[in-house]
Amino acid sequence: NAGVMQNPRHLVRRRGQEARLRCSPMKGHSHVYWYRQLPEEGLKFMVYLQKENIIDESGMPKERFSAEFPKEGPSILRIQQVVRGDSAAYFCASSPPAGQGAVEAFFGQGTRLTVV
Amino acid sequence: AQTVTQSQPEMSVQEAETVTLSCTYDTSENNYYLFWYKQPPSRQMILVIRQEAYKQQNATENRFSVNFQKAAKSFSLKISDSQLGDTAMYFCAFMKPPYSGAGSYQLTFGKGTKLSVIP
Repeated sequence: NAGVMQNPRHLVRRRGQEARLRCSPMKGHSHVYWYRQLPEEGLKFMVYLQKENIIDESGMPKERFSAEFPKEGPSILRIQQVVRGDSAAYFCASSPPAGQGAVEAFFGQGTRLTVV
Repeated sequence: AQTVTQSQPEMSVQEAETVTLSCTYDTSENNYYLFWYKQPPSRQMILVIRQEAYKQQNATENRFSVNFQKAAKSFSLKISDSQLGDTAMYFCAFMKPPYSGAGSYQLTFGKGTKLSVIP
């Protein structure tokens, strides 16, 4: 059973370009979470999605950031017109629906975004 | 809203010695989960140990144990017989039960403690 897969592991973008980060949850998991880790900081929650639904986006910046989790395919975190301050590690985690006995989400290895 | 505070940005310990990392949190919830995660240079988030607030017994996983003081909202991690491979960032995290609200396993993290194990 493969773990949470994120790609790419490293992504370099010039200011003003778009960044697309992908996350494939563990098999059987229908919930996805995105976190951002700035240098020397802990992980900060961005958004929680279920298939085809955004459940909680209270941690998402109001502009330029969007996320989706389509019925088929990976979850995508999209950052438009990137700026230097977007440089960070972005982590995805996945979990099954509540009530299936799990008590934790499982993390991918993260995508390090560098904006030059 | 929940907050998690780790007051020790950096710590060091001699190999084979014992070290304790501190964590305090603030919540109005009565039931919740607390976690310690390890993040080595590879950046992978590795779950070290988990504590359920309604359990009075402190969790233990091999060389790792916690001191959970619910009334004081304190959740410290003790690493015994420290090994070089324990060198990493350690994050304390809080989670409301997934069966509450929207079934979320969302975590609130502290800022981390950088632990160095010295040979």
